Amino acid sequence: GQNIDQPTEMTATEGAIVQINCTYQTSGFNGLFWYQQHAGEAPTFLSYNVLDGLEEKGRFSSFLSRSKGYSYLLLKELQMKDSASYLCASYGQNFVFGPGTRLSVLP
Amino acid sequence: DAGVIQSPRHEVTEMGQEVTLRCKPISGHDYLFWYRQTMMRGLELLIYFNNNVPIDDSGMPEDRFSAKMPNASFSTLKIQPSEPRDSAVYFCASSLSSGTGGPTDTQYFGPGTRLTVL
Repeated sequence: GQNIDQPTEMTATEGAIVQINCTYQTSGFNGLFWYQQHAGEAPTFLSYNVLDGLEEKGRFSSFLSRSKGYSYLLLKELQMKDSASYLCASYGQNFVFGPGTRLSVLP
Repeated sequence: DAGVIQSPRHEVTEMGQEVTLRCKPISGHDYLFWYRQTMMRGLELLIYFNNNVPIDDSGMPEDRFSAKMPNASFSTLKIQPSEPRDSAVYFCASSLSSGTGGPTDTQYFGPGTRLTVL
């Protein structure tokens, strides 16, 4: 079976750092995706982790621990435009998306 | 590149009618995905194709749903007959094979089709 969990909502301040956690239980796990989705728009790809560890891409970093079934997305130097939903998705026997975390960045 | 193209962008129909959603993937991409998104269920993968062949259709909700990919540049998702609970935003996405051969490269999403079934 497959199950993914992430917080429903988070709030942070402009310029701060925020960490969005994702836990998963996935059969035949291959990797973990993170997507950003602004209201009314399509998702856009942020990262894909296959191996344990941290991968950094500019202000965004993604971490994976396969043994713990855990991942997080780290957003640094938050900007107002980062207000969006962040979806984690596991790729195992098939693709399964989490419910999404709605991040609000306040001035 | 124009990106993934979907049509129509909005569709309003009555219960029992046939609905056909269309997708043109990014040229050269060999994977194509169909997703459905609702407030209640979030984003769900319905089916995906590799080189025009359906690989996994376990997400297709029932026999009323069917998807085809007659060539590398076109795919359809058909609902017949449609029901109010099918109301959702339907996304199409495409990607290239990863170095290991799986569908694990960046997926590029189309703008979506907002379907309303009355």
